[in-house]
Amino acid sequence: DAKTTQPNSMESNEEEPVHLPCNHSTISGTDYIHWYRQLPSQGPEYVIHGLTSNVNNRMASLAIAEDRKSSTLILHRATLRDAAVYYCIRRGGSEKLVFGKGTKLTVNP
Amino acid sequence: KAGVTQTPRYLIKTRGQQVTLSCSPISGHRSVSWYQQTPGQGLQFLFEYFSETQRNKGNFPGRFSGRQFSNSRSEMNVSTLELGDSALYLCASSLGVKNTEAFFGQGTRLTVV
Repeated sequence: DAKTTQPNSMESNEEEPVHLPCNHSTISGTDYIHWYRQLPSQGPEYVIHGLTSNVNNRMASLAIAEDRKSSTLILHRATLRDAAVYYCIRRGGSEKLVFGKGTKLTVNP
Repeated sequence: KAGVTQTPRYLIKTRGQQVTLSCSPISGHRSVSWYQQTPGQGLQFLFEYFSETQRNKGNFPGRFSGRQFSNSRSEMNVSTLELGDSALYLCASSLGVKNTEAFFGQGTRLTVV
C-alpha cells in the first residue's frame, strides 16, 4: 500500500517546465515526502525530499502544500534525459521505501 | 566515490535451484535494502539490513533470505526457485539514519526457466 496517488503518465516538451503532482492525503506529521525516478534499464535514482517547506536542489524543486496532503515535483527545464518513471513516496522513520506505480514522464523533442 | 555494485548482472536458473545475489554498498553506508521489481507488481521491498541485523522485512515467503557482513556487503538468497521469481533484484544502500537518500545499484536480472 503505497498511500500516494500519482497520474499514470504525463507528457512534456523539451526545455519546458514540468509539474508532477502527488496526493498523500493520509500523511502523518512525521512522514517525509521523497521522490525517486527510474530511467529505462536502470535502478531508481533519488531526486529530492522534504517535510514541510519547499525544497530545491540541482535536479528539481519540491513544493509541499500547506496542509501536506499533496506535493508537486517541479523540473524547471525538461530534457530528453528526464524521461523516466517518477515515484512519490511517503517515508516514515525506516529505510523502507514503498513504491507505487509512479508517473511515466515522456519528454518530446 | 564508487556506487552500489551488484553481482552478477544477469543470471539464468532452473526451477527448484537456489541463487545468491551480492551487493556492495557505497563506502561508509551501513544500511542495505533489497527490492524485487516485476512488470506486474512493480517495485516491492524485500528486507533491510543495518549493521548486520535485519531491521525490516517485506511480505515475501521464507524462501527469500538475506544477510549482511561486517563490511556492510550484503547477500540475498532465494531457495527453491519458482518461475514467478524471475525479476530484477535491486539493492540500495544508505547511511541508515532517518530520511537520508538511498542509492540503488543497477540490479541483477534473474530469469528462472
